[in-house]
Amino acid sequence: EAGVAQSPRYKIIEKRQSVAFWCNPISGHATLYWYQQILGQGPKLLIQFQNNGVVDDSQLPKDRFSAERLKGVDSTLKIQPAKLEDSAVYLCASSRGDYGTQETQYFGPGTRLLVL
Amino acid sequence: EDQVTQSPEALRLQEGESSSLNCSYTVSGLRGLFWYRQDPGKGPEFLFTLYSAGEEKEKERLKATLTKKESFLHITAPKPEDSATYLCAVQPHPDPIYNFNKFYFGSGTKLNVKP
Repeated sequence: EAGVAQSPRYKIIEKRQSVAFWCNPISGHATLYWYQQILGQGPKLLIQFQNNGVVDDSQLPKDRFSAERLKGVDSTLKIQPAKLEDSAVYLCASSRGDYGTQETQYFGPGTRLLVL
Repeated sequence: EDQVTQSPEALRLQEGESSSLNCSYTVSGLRGLFWYRQDPGKGPEFLFTLYSAGEEKEKERLKATLTKKESFLHITAPKPEDSATYLCAVQPHPDPIYNFNKFYFGSGTKLNVKP
């Protein structure tokens, strides 16, 4: 079974530029998560999709971050414009999406973003 | 407020020196507690899930245990290849306010095993 795929693996941009990350979850997984992980910290949830709908974006900085999962499969996370403090690893994860049951999240390799 | 705290932040062990990592949590009912291993430059890798107090799971030199307020990840006779950051996450019981599963992550324990 293929795992969670992410691209690119690394990205270096100047502040105020825009950047986009792509994620393809495990086949059949209804729930997709985007996390931001700053060095030395645990993952922080940015947005959670159930199929193609957003169920939690309470910690997403909506003035600069956006995400979509149009067909309920792969997803794109965009930052526009980027700030220095956005330097982090962006992790995508997926899970089966059975509400109320014990859910295991599986993570992709992450995209390491450096904003100069 | 739902919260997950891991300790210590960092742990240095000699090869063969057994120890434990702690994950304490305060949630309104536990649906599941998860342990992940994260190597530098990689995404977290799932290790264990625990559900009920008293439950134990083992994998090679790792054993995870669960009480009503905390979980321990015991590392027996560690090897340098066990060096990584170990993350703990909890999934509370569903809240009628939400119609989706929520998760809370700790900040991790960075383990360094020296030969």
